[in-house]
Amino acid sequence: QSALTQPASVSGSPGQSITISCTGTSSDVGGYNYVSWYQQHPGTAPKLMIYEVTNRPSGVSNRFSGSKSGNTASLTISGLQAEDEADYYCSSYTGSSTLVVFGGGTKLTVL
Amino acid sequence: QVQLVQSGAEVKKPGASVKVSCRASGYTFTGYDINWVRQATGQGLEWMGWMNPNSGNTGYAQKFQGRVTMTRNASINTAYMELSSLRSEDTAVYYCARARGAVTNSDYWGQGTQVTVSS
Repeated sequence: QSALTQPASVSGSPGQSITISCTGTSSDVGGYNYVSWYQQHPGTAPKLMIYEVTNRPSGVSNRFSGSKSGNTASLTISGLQAEDEADYYCSSYTGSSTLVVFGGGTKLTVL
Repeated sequence: QVQLVQSGAEVKKPGASVKVSCRASGYTFTGYDINWVRQATGQGLEWMGWMNPNSGNTGYAQKFQGRVTMTRNASINTAYMELSSLRSEDTAVYYCARARGAVTNSDYWGQGTQVTVSS
């Protein structure tokens, strides 16, 4: 099972919006509404930001939103803040014996 | 509050095995699956497998089948991940995570356990 494709890096200025893409296939992203997004700051465990494509766990800012079109899922962060600078990973259900596949990760830099 | 507390760092020689523990508190341990995910230094996340603490049922990523075993002791709310035939490429931080609903929804994570494989 190949990893999902994410851009290596994205950047934006405070207050702006950015979108991170996550491209898979019809066997993972496109086939199921089970895409999650994680935020990871250096030296810490990942934090769930979005689950099942569009849902935000309790306590996650509404500046974070998720969507999906075909085989590509997206994470949008609006009103960028310095604290958003982190690595972001998408994951998807696959339906194969390897049930979950992650993207390679995207480093977000807040300029 | 929900907490997952993992065992401490390990240093192992190639060919050896390592067993990492993950003690859960603050919720009903048998009510949620546990995922295991690893991350090599400077690299991305890699899903290893899941375990249902109630039934003991497991599912492993194809890459690790035959080398990984996930078990639990429900009486002490603890999950275990054992990886055998270690090689240098297994050097990584290993995380346990609680799965809320779908296996892709890891909502609480342990602090991670550094496993170093070196001769």
